[in-house]
Amino acid sequence: AQKITQTQPGMFVQEKEAVTLDCTYDTSDPSYGLFWYKQPSSGEMIFLIYQGSYDQQNATEGRYSLNFQKARKSANLVISASQLGDSAMYFCAMRADAGNMLTFGGGTRLMVKP
Amino acid sequence: NAGVTQTPKFQVLKTGQSMTLQCAQDMNHNSMYWYRQDPGMGLRLIYYSASEGTTDKGEVPNGYNVSRLNKREFSLRLESAAPSQTSVYFCAGNRGHGETQYFGPGTRLLVL
Repeated sequence: AQKITQTQPGMFVQEKEAVTLDCTYDTSDPSYGLFWYKQPSSGEMIFLIYQGSYDQQNATEGRYSLNFQKARKSANLVISASQLGDSAMYFCAMRADAGNMLTFGGGTRLMVKP
Repeated sequence: NAGVTQTPKFQVLKTGQSMTLQCAQDMNHNSMYWYRQDPGMGLRLIYYSASEGTTDKGEVPNGYNVSRLNKREFSLRLESAAPSQTSVYFCAGNRGHGETQYFGPGTRLLVL
């Protein structure tokens, strides 16, 4: 069974600063994928970034990067130069290679201060 | 492209009533999924359809049934709604194994 843990229920960050959202995972599958989704107050789930377990480099998508530390089983999301529109819930999710379903963490609420 | 669409956006039911949540996608997804999100929690998989004509149970299937009507449409049915099924329901799709899942806007369901 897979498990995703997000230990930060809520975080504040000053506008224009960088912030790291933590995610640790547990799986016995050698091949898996890690995803981050953003859920603004409007409720939709927006895909941000993906990291495969065999990817040699950390994934980046614009201001988002994923700090993947396989030995520590962590996949932290780094948002650079925070903007007010980044205020939202952020979910880490994992797909084990044996299946196609996503297992989600409990989420982190990020609040960006002007 | 509309992406993944869901109807209705919001529904109130009385205990014991039945209803069907509709999901459609125009992204040529082979696989489709139904999740529920309870307050303050992440999403949990109810059912999924890896391809047209197949459906499988997820983590929390009790009280639900699904139909993969065709490649585009995947419906979720509550035969006898219970207050514990009050939640936000998300439909998602992807092209297949390992691909990123894209979500619909969600349906807020309140069971009184």
